[in-house]
Amino acid sequence: AQKVTQAQTEISVVEKEDVTLDCVYETRDTTYYLFWYKQPPSGELVFLIRRNSFDEQNEISGRYSWNFQKSTSSFNFTITASQVVDSAVYFCALRETSGSRLTFGEGTQLTVNP
Amino acid sequence: DTGVSQNPRHKITKRGQNVTFRCDPISEHNRLYWYRQTLGQGPEFLTYFQNEAQLEKSRLLSDRFSAERPKGSFSTLEIQRTEQGDSAMYLCASRPGQGRRNTGELFFGEGSRLTVL
Repeated sequence: AQKVTQAQTEISVVEKEDVTLDCVYETRDTTYYLFWYKQPPSGELVFLIRRNSFDEQNEISGRYSWNFQKSTSSFNFTITASQVVDSAVYFCALRETSGSRLTFGEGTQLTVNP
Repeated sequence: DTGVSQNPRHKITKRGQNVTFRCDPISEHNRLYWYRQTLGQGPEFLTYFQNEAQLEKSRLLSDRFSAERPKGSFSTLEIQRTEQGDSAMYLCASRPGQGRRNTGELFFGEGSRLTVL
């Protein structure tokens, strides 16, 4: 069965600090997809990134970067120079190619203080 | 706006009443999902449709829950004889099928918040 674990329930940082959100997953499939979503206070889940299991190249998008390590089943998300607007709950998710459902972690509440 | 639309956004009901939520997916998306999210938790999968066919149901979906997607367009999620434990945010999401535009991501609506008194 697929499972996603986000061990950090809450993180609080001061603006301009870098912050890393951890994600560890479990799956028996050899091919799968990993996702990160952001859920701001308004409630709507916003897609941030998708990563295929066969592509371990790290990705950077502006202040966001993702570190995918298949050997440790981790897909960590780093925000550089955090801003107050980054305050939200961030979810890591997994979808096996053998299925259609997306399995979410329990989320990490990030608070960026001015 | 051509995003996923859900209504009502908020529903307060008394225990034992039936409630129905509606989801209008993005028009070209043939796959539709229902999730439930309680406070402080991640979304939990409930059920999945491909066109009008309900292909997967979670064990979370008790007999009191039923979902339909007639004609493969909008979907409804009905909860009969509501219980206080049903209080949650019910999220609908959609995505296209196979093809160049399918990046695998789900597009979520803003959710329907249910409070059972």
